[in-house]
Amino acid sequence: DAGVTQSPTHLIKTRGQHVTLRCSPISGHKSVSWYQQVLGQGPQFIFQYYEKEERGRGNFPDRFSARQFPNYSSELNVNALLLGDSALYLCASSSQGQETQYFGPGTRLLVL
Amino acid sequence: RKEVEQDPGPFNVPEGATVAFNCTYSNSASQSFFWYRQDCRKEPKLLMSVYSSGNEDGRFTAQLNRASQYISLLIRDSKLSDSATYLCVVNNWGTGRRALTFGSGTRLQVQP
Repeated sequence: DAGVTQSPTHLIKTRGQHVTLRCSPISGHKSVSWYQQVLGQGPQFIFQYYEKEERGRGNFPDRFSARQFPNYSSELNVNALLLGDSALYLCASSSQGQETQYFGPGTRLLVL
Repeated sequence: RKEVEQDPGPFNVPEGATVAFNCTYSNSASQSFFWYRQDCRKEPKLLMSVYSSGNEDGRFTAQLNRASQYISLLIRDSKLSDSATYLCVVNNWGTGRRALTFGSGTRLQVQP
């Protein structure tokens, strides 16, 4: 079975632009979480969605938003990009009632 | 104070050595604990869960001390392929969200 997939793998944007990142969870998984990992740090929680509803939100500004679709895939949107948004954006999926989260390969975003 | 703290290292050890990492967490209500491994420019991958009774998986042993709020990982007979960053991870169930809180990671370099 395919693991978590994310697209695109790499992205270069300029300040002020917006970006949409996509994630497809493991088949059968209904929960998707998004994390931001800047260089030298561990991943930081941004959002969690379960059954298309937001279940949790980390300490990120309103420029960050997300949604989950009926097929459980998800999008992360970031508006008004800042240089500090340059990071690896990771998506993780998990099955209902299970704690283990499985990560996708991430999208590497560079903001110039 | 960070919610999960780790010594960033790097730990440089020869092949065959035994190496131990510790991690402390600040939320005494934390419920679940994990070690993830992250290779350079890759996504985190679950190495093992950590239980109060301690658990072992081959050369890897994880321990949890709830009273002192620390988690440890012991790697015996280190291999070159063990070179990676090891992330200590805590899951807080208080709000029901399945969000993981990561430490910044400890880098291990096993040398021939």
